[in-house]
Amino acid sequence: AQKVTQAQTEISVVEKEDVTLDCVYETRDTTYYLFWYKQPPSGELVFLIRRNSFDEQNEISGRYSWNFQKSTSSFNFTITASQVVDSAVYFCALSGVSGGSYIPTFGRGTSLIVHP
Amino acid sequence: KAGVTQTPRYLIKTRGQQVTLSCSPISGHRSVSWYQQTPGQGLQFLFEYFSETQRNKGNFPGRFSGRQFSNSRSEMNVSTLELGDSALYLCASSLYFTVPTDTQYFGPGTRLTVL
Repeated sequence: AQKVTQAQTEISVVEKEDVTLDCVYETRDTTYYLFWYKQPPSGELVFLIRRNSFDEQNEISGRYSWNFQKSTSSFNFTITASQVVDSAVYFCALSGVSGGSYIPTFGRGTSLIVHP
Repeated sequence: KAGVTQTPRYLIKTRGQQVTLSCSPISGHRSVSWYQQTPGQGLQFLFEYFSETQRNKGNFPGRFSGRQFSNSRSEMNVSTLELGDSALYLCASSLYFTVPTDTQYFGPGTRLTVL
């Protein structure tokens, strides 16, 4: 069985602060994919990043960066110089093979509130 | 290009009734997946349809069913509604059968309230 844990239920920061959202996963699969999604108040999930289990290279996209460490089964997400528009719920997800298909498992989400 | 659309956006039903939700994927996308989001259980995968066939199914009772039409539009049906079925139901579309390398695009969801 696969599992994703986002221990931080809610994080509150002031604009321009850096913030890191933690994600720890469990899986027995050797091939798997990790994702981050953003869910703004409007409801739809927005895809942010995908990383496969063989690619531990960290990635930076503008103010967003991701740190994937297989040794600690973590895939953390950092927002640099946070902005009010970053306020949303962020989900980490894992897709491993189950019976030949990829069934996604989501963490419970971290609600990020950025105050002006 | 229009995004994923879901109708209705809000729905109120009473226990025991049944409900049908609709999802229109992005033009050209052939896969539609459904998810249930509740405060208690979080975001859970319901099922996926590709080329009118159910390809994957999550761990939900048989009261939850779906179908996909030849134009890729999909409907999900919940029969004999229970209070615990109150949730945000999200639909996502992708070009092909769900593989993690194919990005899913989500709709705004249908908020179902069961009284």
